[in-house]
Amino acid sequence: DTAVSQTPKYLVTQMGNDKSIKCEQNLGHDTMYWYKQDSKKFLKIMFSYNNKELIINETVPNRFSPKSPDKAHLNLHINSLELGDSAVYFCASSQVGGAGNSPLHFGNGTRLTVT
Amino acid sequence: AQSVSQHNHHVILSEAASLELGCNYSYGGTVNLFWYVQYPGQHLQLLLKYFSGDPLVKGIKGFEAEFIKSKFSFNLRKPSVQWSDTAEYFCAVNAGDKIIFGKGTRLHILP
Repeated sequence: DTAVSQTPKYLVTQMGNDKSIKCEQNLGHDTMYWYKQDSKKFLKIMFSYNNKELIINETVPNRFSPKSPDKAHLNLHINSLELGDSAVYFCASSQVGGAGNSPLHFGNGTRLTVT
Repeated sequence: AQSVSQHNHHVILSEAASLELGCNYSYGGTVNLFWYVQYPGQHLQLLLKYFSGDPLVKGIKGFEAEFIKSKFSFNLRKPSVQWSDTAEYFCAVNAGDKIIFGKGTRLHILP
């Protein structure tokens, strides 16, 4: 019954590898997001999709590529992983496109460790 | 540029103490404001939100927040904290297409 589910929960990999994180929401929301939370707990938006269309693309390296096959899914692919990519990545969704007054519903996070 | 400032990075209180966590924002448009809580090892959950109307909003678990437009503030309060309130608290404001978060306040409640 999880509203926003992301997999895997933990991901340990070596520098230079390519990895993907998957996210699915069953809330019927139009908008999905990826946030990065660093070791100091600072949350920064990376991407936002509204009904499969990219609407926010913050200053994120090109190695990060989101893909939304449908409005219930937003996956994150990362190429050539670097040590600095180690963080917790949260997927989120909101009902109204562009967040606005619609709160975010977060997934449980994926802790990525790059060695 | 839009921003959210949380002045207290780390707060330590004893059980039953009163709590107030500061939050100030910088955004020129109509704001919607949120407080989220992240318990250890968990994801963020919505505590409360302000969209319009009464500037004093009540959330879950006895938390409340007051929107003071003239001060660009949205401080979080709780009259009597419990050990289970130990968590990271994030203030957030909508800014156009996205929600921007403050850097968080780590609250530690001593039993």
